[in-house]
Amino acid sequence: KNEVEQSPQNLTAQEGEFITINCSYSVGISALHWLQQHPGGGIVSLFMLSSGKKKHGRLIATINIQEKHSSLHITASHPRDSAVYICAVRGRGTYKYIFGTGTRLKVLA
Amino acid sequence: DTAVSQTPKYLVTQMGNDKSIKCEQNLGHDTMYWYKQDSKKFLKIMFSYNNKELIINETVPNRFSPKSPDKAHLNLHINSLELGDSAVYFCASSRMTTVTYEQYFGPGTRLTVT
Repeated sequence: KNEVEQSPQNLTAQEGEFITINCSYSVGISALHWLQQHPGGGIVSLFMLSSGKKKHGRLIATINIQEKHSSLHITASHPRDSAVYICAVRGRGTYKYIFGTGTRLKVLA
Repeated sequence: DTAVSQTPKYLVTQMGNDKSIKCEQNLGHDTMYWYKQDSKKFLKIMFSYNNKELIINETVPNRFSPKSPDKAHLNLHINSLELGDSAVYFCASSRMTTVTYEQYFGPGTRLTVT
């Protein structure tokens, strides 16, 4: 079992829908990172969280340290949001990130 | 003005060859990483350097050898390439802080071993 689990693995939504992607982890962490990988392959950092909530445009990320859980929300989804979303955690006291297996999102027009 | 760049973007080579992938960052970061992404899109760390010092060295074959000539560069040399080495290799950089840091990724190098 991976130390970082994401759900769902695949998600298809209609344009305009509210989307939630979940990330659960089993290790103590100092930070959690949400990444976006477009079909072209490039990886972009969306958020880095150590507590609470962050918002950027239509994207919202939350983290609950006690429950070892984070969510990424996309409001008013658009076909250009179609990508793989990856959760990564930095273990407490370590330098490295552990990655989830990713959630493949497809938003239909 | 690319932040993290990698060369080459694509690399097709035959089994047994030796190849190198180069990475450069112009962000002034002090830490650089190499990741391997397999066909299932799973990212896994291979190496990390902080101020030219190796700080992460995961269980990878010793055919893979990272080299960091300075803080802005981290190269990956692979000897005796095997079919299973085919993957996308990503370089990333960050500024090491006492609490958290954000990573910036390069565009990736797609390595195909035939």
